[in-house]
Amino acid sequence: GQNIDQPTEMTATEGAIVQINCTYQTSGFNGLFWYQQHAGEAPTFLSYNVLDGLEEKGRFSSFLSRSKGYSYLLLKELQMKDSASYLCAVLTSGTYKYIFGTGTRLKVLA
Amino acid sequence: DTAVSQTPKYLVTQMGNDKSIKCEQNLGHDTMYWYKQDSKKFLKIMFSYNNKELIINETVPNRFSPKSPDKAHLNLHINSLELGDSAVYFCASSHMESGQAFFGQGTRLTVV
Repeated sequence: GQNIDQPTEMTATEGAIVQINCTYQTSGFNGLFWYQQHAGEAPTFLSYNVLDGLEEKGRFSSFLSRSKGYSYLLLKELQMKDSASYLCAVLTSGTYKYIFGTGTRLKVLA
Repeated sequence: DTAVSQTPKYLVTQMGNDKSIKCEQNLGHDTMYWYKQDSKKFLKIMFSYNNKELIINETVPNRFSPKSPDKAHLNLHINSLELGDSAVYFCASSHMESGQAFFGQGTRLTVV
């Protein structure tokens, strides 16, 4: 089967660093994506990894280990506006479909 | 310019009715999707079309029928609506083999 797991909820303090983990088991792999979704809004793209290693993009970084089926999203210098759900998604090969994890709801506290 | 637009944004209807949601993308993508997001916020893929051809149909009741008149449009028609169909439906598009998915604003469907 295909499975993507993330923690359901996380809480962190403004200015801190938080790491959101994602593990996956899918039939084929063509890239891993992180999306941010604020309540009542559409998911928006944050980052993309297709090779092992770290991709940095301002306050956001994402890491991938294909052999371990593991990724994380690192958010630095947290701001209140970072309170949202963070969705890990795998683009499978073959049928090329995006499979989403259940999402991690992040609350940033003052 | 809106990249992926879907209409309507809100839809309230009675059980048993038939309704449609429209989606259009102006990004030149070859693949379009329909996702259902339930109350637990889980995004579940329903359908995927590549160049107007259905490539994924994820065990969705046949009351749901997607239609892709061209690469830029993917509409969703739902017959005999049930209470359990209440959810937010998102349309998305991407290039098939790579690239991020762009999402429409979502359609909040409430069946009463």
